[in-house]
Amino acid sequence: GAVVSQHPSRVICKSGTSVKIECRSLDFQATTMFWYRQFPKKSLMLMATSNEGSKATYEQGVEKDKFLINHASLTLSTLTVTSAHPEDSSFYICSPLGLGEKGLYEQYFGPGTRLTVT
Amino acid sequence: DAKTTQPTSMDCAEGRAANLPCNHSTISGNEYVYWYRQIHSQGPQYIIHGLKNNETNEMASLIITEDRKSSTLILPHATLRDTAVYYCIVNSGTYKYIFGTGTRLKVLA
Repeated sequence: GAVVSQHPSRVICKSGTSVKIECRSLDFQATTMFWYRQFPKKSLMLMATSNEGSKATYEQGVEKDKFLINHASLTLSTLTVTSAHPEDSSFYICSPLGLGEKGLYEQYFGPGTRLTVT
Repeated sequence: DAKTTQPTSMDCAEGRAANLPCNHSTISGNEYVYWYRQIHSQGPQYIIHGLKNNETNEMASLIITEDRKSSTLILPHATLRDTAVYYCIVNSGTYKYIFGTGTRLKVLA
């Protein structure tokens, strides 16, 4: 159980274009979704938290107009990087919240999306 | 949520036990200790979690000290595929996992 997919796994785009990353929880429903980014050899940094049907809450220093998050259903959330620039090149990981085996809510993680902006 | 401190890196010989420590001296009573690992260019993989009792599953064992201020993840027979960054996280149910720097474990042949 608790399978999470992300699409695409890798994307290369030109500076100034927008890129959409999809995250799906395949066998469970996620009312809450977390999005992280990770630079090379660095730890995961939380970008934002979204609840299904509500606006996302962004961490300090993360531009909400640049990183658009949509959580329209319990199994799908999208992150759109608008007007991407080379400094947005990073590894983006989604993390839906689901009910674990011991009855606790736990964060599951997607396989990540490698974004390269040229 | 409490902060965690882990060694930056560790080496372990293949076939030997890998013992990864984590300090969480400010942990509060309702916080669990979670361990994840991340193999290069993949998403984090859940390993194990516990509250105060020691836990064991098919991947690892988790030893939590009686005062809960530290814990150790044990991989009983490390293989080359266990080379990864290991993260210790404490979380009370705010569900917003905050990742520290983790321990980069290198298993040597």
